[in-house]
Amino acid sequence: SAVISQKPSRDICQRGTSLTIQCQVDSQVTMMFWYRQQPGQSLTLIATANQGSEATYESGFVIDKFPISRPNLTFSTLTVSNMSPEDSSIYLCSGTDRSSYNEQFFGPGTRLTVL
Amino acid sequence: GENVEQHPSTLSVQEGDSAVIKCTYSDSASNYFPWYKQELGKGPQLIIDIRSNVGEKKDQRIAVTLNKTAKHFSLHITETQPEDSAVYFCAASNNNDMRFGAGTRLTVKP
Repeated sequence: SAVISQKPSRDICQRGTSLTIQCQVDSQVTMMFWYRQQPGQSLTLIATANQGSEATYESGFVIDKFPISRPNLTFSTLTVSNMSPEDSSIYLCSGTDRSSYNEQFFGPGTRLTVL
Repeated sequence: GENVEQHPSTLSVQEGDSAVIKCTYSDSASNYFPWYKQELGKGPQLIIDIRSNVGEKKDQRIAVTLNKTAKHFSLHITETQPEDSAVYFCAASNNNDMRFGAGTRLTVKP
């Protein structure tokens, strides 16, 4: 299984600022995903990031608020823009490869607190 | 779109007892059903999965069953141990479009 790391592991930010979260995979993966998890809640998919094309966003999430980059098959970033306290959450990235047939492996998450 | 329901939301068992968590899904096209364990402060960890062409799968103390006709699948943990305490999520996926259940907080009392 792929090993996924995220940076930063946690951060406390002021409202109105932006934070970029990095996701690094130790092997090449075809698809990467970004999720949001409110404390004590389930995972909500924000977007799917594919190399060489724009990310595909789920209903309720827009590119201006959550721009995503996917420069290669092992790396992706998610930016949380113009943050408000409602953006306080855990942000998780995951990856999957065609050879693993839909298995998704998750990073440890980034715990974001917006004051 | 897919809707996954998971029950119970909390489950407390005595060490050594069995634990069962149940999920239902709505999209008959879903063909992959993983289970994740999430410990406090960590990301979800894949513990077992089952595909739509299989009815049951077992890995040591963990087993998963799938009933495609009824659109439900279950996680069974036998001989529970305190280290099994965590939040468990079921999910249903169709071609990488994965939707998660609400989660079950399992507590195993020593």
